[in-house]
Amino acid sequence: GEDVEQSLFLSVREGDSSVINCTYTDSSSTYLYWYKQEPGAGLQLLTYIFSNMDMKQDQRLTVLLNKKDKHLSLRIADTQTGDSAIYFCAEDGGTSYGKLTFGQGTILTVHP
Amino acid sequence: SAVISQKPSRDICQRGTSLTIQCQVDSQVTMMFWYRQQPGQSLTLIATANQGSEATYESGFVIDKFPISRPNLTFSTLTVSNMSPEDSSIYLCSVAEVGVNQPQHFGDGTRLSIL
Repeated sequence: GEDVEQSLFLSVREGDSSVINCTYTDSSSTYLYWYKQEPGAGLQLLTYIFSNMDMKQDQRLTVLLNKKDKHLSLRIADTQTGDSAIYFCAEDGGTSYGKLTFGQGTILTVHP
Repeated sequence: SAVISQKPSRDICQRGTSLTIQCQVDSQVTMMFWYRQQPGQSLTLIATANQGSEATYESGFVIDKFPISRPNLTFSTLTVSNMSPEDSSIYLCSVAEVGVNQPQHFGDGTRLSIL
C-alpha cells in the first residue's frame, strides 16, 4: 500500500529556517499536503502542491516537490516559537477528494 | 473554506459504553470522512461517510464498532461502540469537495479517553 515517511523530530533556533522532509511511494498522487497540529488542536491545512508543480511559495512557506524521487519538503523561513507544532505530510493517492495517507508527523521545536 | 464544528470536543467515558460524535459543516460538501489519531500517532482513515447510504469502511474498521450516519450534505455522526481503553484517541471529521484545488479540511477533533 501507500507509504509516507517523515523524520520524527526537528529542533531549530528562532529566526532560522526550518526544513521538514517527507518521502512517499504512491506515484499517482494528485496533490500533496502539509498540515500543522498544535497541542490540543485539530489539523490546520498549511499549504498543498499539485503534483505537476515543483515549487510553491506562500509567505514564509516554501514547498519543494521532486516527483522523480518522490520527495516533498516544507521550508519555514524566519521560524518563530509559534511555529512549534507537529507537521504532517499527506498524499491523496490520485483522488484529490479521497482518502489521505499521512506521514508520522514531524515535531518541530523552536528555541528562543 | 468550510467551517467544521465537532461535538463534543472531549469526553471521558466508561468502558463498555458508546459515544456519538457529531460533525456539522456550515456549507454543503460532497465528501465527509472520519479519521482516528491514536496517542502519539498519525491519522488513519476510518471510513468515508456517504450521504443517504452506508459508509465505506477502511480495512480494520467495521460498522458494528463504528456506525456512521450522514443524513444530509452538512452533517455526519460517528459512534464509537462498546468502548475499551484502546479506543482512547482523537477522532477527526474532515470534508472535501470534488474538483480542482479543493483540499481536505479538518475539524478540531474529539479527544476521547476511556477509563
